[in-house]
Amino acid sequence: GEDVEQSLFLSVREGDSSVINCTYTDSSSTYLYWYKQEPGAGLQLLTYIFSNMDMKQDQRLTVLLNKKDKHLSLRIADTQTGDSAIYFCAERGSGAGSYQLTFGKGTKLSVIP
Amino acid sequence: SQTIHQWPATLVQPVGSPLSLECTVEGTSNPNLYWYRQAAGRGLQLLFYSVGIGQISSEVPQNLSASRPQDRQFILSSKKLLLSDSGFYLCAWNAQRSLGSGTQYFGPGTRLTVL
Repeated sequence: GEDVEQSLFLSVREGDSSVINCTYTDSSSTYLYWYKQEPGAGLQLLTYIFSNMDMKQDQRLTVLLNKKDKHLSLRIADTQTGDSAIYFCAERGSGAGSYQLTFGKGTKLSVIP
Repeated sequence: SQTIHQWPATLVQPVGSPLSLECTVEGTSNPNLYWYRQAAGRGLQLLFYSVGIGQISSEVPQNLSASRPQDRQFILSSKKLLLSDSGFYLCAWNAQRSLGSGTQYFGPGTRLTVL
């Protein structure tokens, strides 16, 4: 079955850039997503990218997709303490019945003041 | 706009007691609905999903069950809770049609502690 892998922890200093990486195995993925989860809360969609795109930028967030290597990354510029959270990568396969998403285990980002 | 609600927000139950968690979605019709469990603040485990009223698919065999009595209502139940049922339960929805991003939107979650 499909698999999504992420490193579990990342620690950065406030003001630096954070890069969270994700790899996936499903070559037929159509959309890839980044979600943010703050402590005790549900998952909040940050952004998503269609598989025929290489990059998507939204304010401080930049998503890079290397479809050949099945590698997705999320860059957060000027990281703030409010960015401390768990970040989940997810992918959606192709096909009319592919409603489900496959999630990684999440990367816990800690921002050091 | 669409919103998704879950209740209760927190629950402490003794082992062997029954469980009922509720999820409702507003502002959309005929959504796909999902129940996930997140243990120890980590990865999401898909428990059940539903593509329509009365249609439930189970991903993991366990002592939990799900029901969808109405289009925008999804209920997670158990007759007898186990210690291992403790966790953070998340409900999510996405649009039925395969066109579009398929983005799932999550509720605020229910923290269940079984003692």
